Parts: sequence; structure tokens; C-alpha cells
Amino acid sequence: GAGVSQSPSNKVTEKGKDVELRCDPISGHTALYWYRQSLGQGLEFLIYFQGNSAPDKSGLPSDRFSAERTGGSVSTLTIQRTQQEDSAVYLCASSPSGARGYGYTFGSGTRLTVV
Amino acid sequence: RKEVEQDPGPFNVPEGATVAFNCTYSNSASQSFFWYRQDCRKEPKLLMSVYSSGNEDGRFTAQLNRASQYISLLIRDSKLSDSATYLCVVNTGRRALTFGSGTRLQVQP
Repeated sequence: GAGVSQSPSNKVTEKGKDVELRCDPISGHTALYWYRQSLGQGLEFLIYFQGNSAPDKSGLPSDRFSAERTGGSVSTLTIQRTQQEDSAVYLCASSPSGARGYGYTFGSGTRLTVV
Repeated sequence: RKEVEQDPGPFNVPEGATVAFNCTYSNSASQSFFWYRQDCRKEPKLLMSVYSSGNEDGRFTAQLNRASQYISLLIRDSKLSDSATYLCVVNTGRRALTFGSGTRLQVQP
């Protein structure tokens, strides 16, 4: 597609429920990243996929968080047993390569509210 | 110490003013540097890369000082539409970029 697409744009869920967030990167971009941004805060790195390499999961805050990327394209971020502190905007980004010189293109995010 | 540090602001300036933001980074091996702009409740968007020799894009000038490990962004002739949060972004050696918390700019008429 023309840009990075994320769905849903908003999600309200009850504490303890599982949620799935979806990201469709720009066609041809091999690198895909998930970040989250809490209200008034900076971006916190979660996970990074590059081609067929093993993902860099070093930013995932707990084992309730997991992500996969199927066929080198669409990615889903799953949060199990959601907690109120999981409330944030979850941003997905892609870049043509994992090489350091490239900036990222972000999707418009999924705003997750856990009540 | 944070990997990337920025003054959170806000910087309140009148239209037409020149304003400068600085950012410091902790990893001397960092190789890639960027400035992103984020409007309220929107996603960050790439404003410009920062090159070792410094670079300019219209009213925006970015500079890198490797010895002191800081990056700057200068905005000349500020417009109301420049009001946003400016994020300093660095590759600190991990595979993903590290974002500063941002500096908020408010340009006033």
C-alpha cells in the first residue's frame, strides 16, 4: 500500500482480556518495528522484524506481549491478559531495510484503552 | 542516563522567530541521526536526516557535533504550522532507532 496501515485505530478492552493489533507495512519494506507511546511520553521500542531473521524482542515489557510477522509482510502484536498500564498508542513503522541509515514511516497507530 | 535526551520545553516563540533545539546522546558509536516531527495525537513523521557536515532543508538546518555528542535543529522564520513536538532520533547501536521524548514548540501569532 501507499503507507503503513494499522487496525483497529481505537480499541477499548476490559482488564484481563486479550487484544490483537495489526500492522500492514509499505509494500517492499523488509524491516518492521513496533513501538508504544504512553500519554505525554516518548516512544518505547517493543520489537523489530527484519526479513527472515529472528526478531529482536528485547523491548517487550513482559511475556504477556508477543508479535509475529507472516510472510514477511503483515504483523500482529498480541497482548494477553491486558492491564491498565498497557493503555497507550501502539505504533508500527516500516523501512526499506534494517540498515541504520534509513528513517521509518509510521502508521497512524492503535489507541488502546484498558478499563 | 537516558540514551537520547532533549529539553521537553515548551518553547513559546512568536511568528518569524528563529528557534533552536538541542539533543544529546550517550552512545559515542551512534551512526545515524534524524529529526522527526509529531503533531498532537498524530504519528511521528520524518523531518530530516542529520549528516556529519550539517544539512539544510528550506528553513530547517540540522547539525551534528560528534565530539560533544549532540545534535541541533534550527528553525528560521517560524510559522504557526511549525507548532509540534520535535523528536531527536538516534541509532545507538541496537538495531532499532531510539527516540528522545521530544521538545514541544508553540509558535504564537
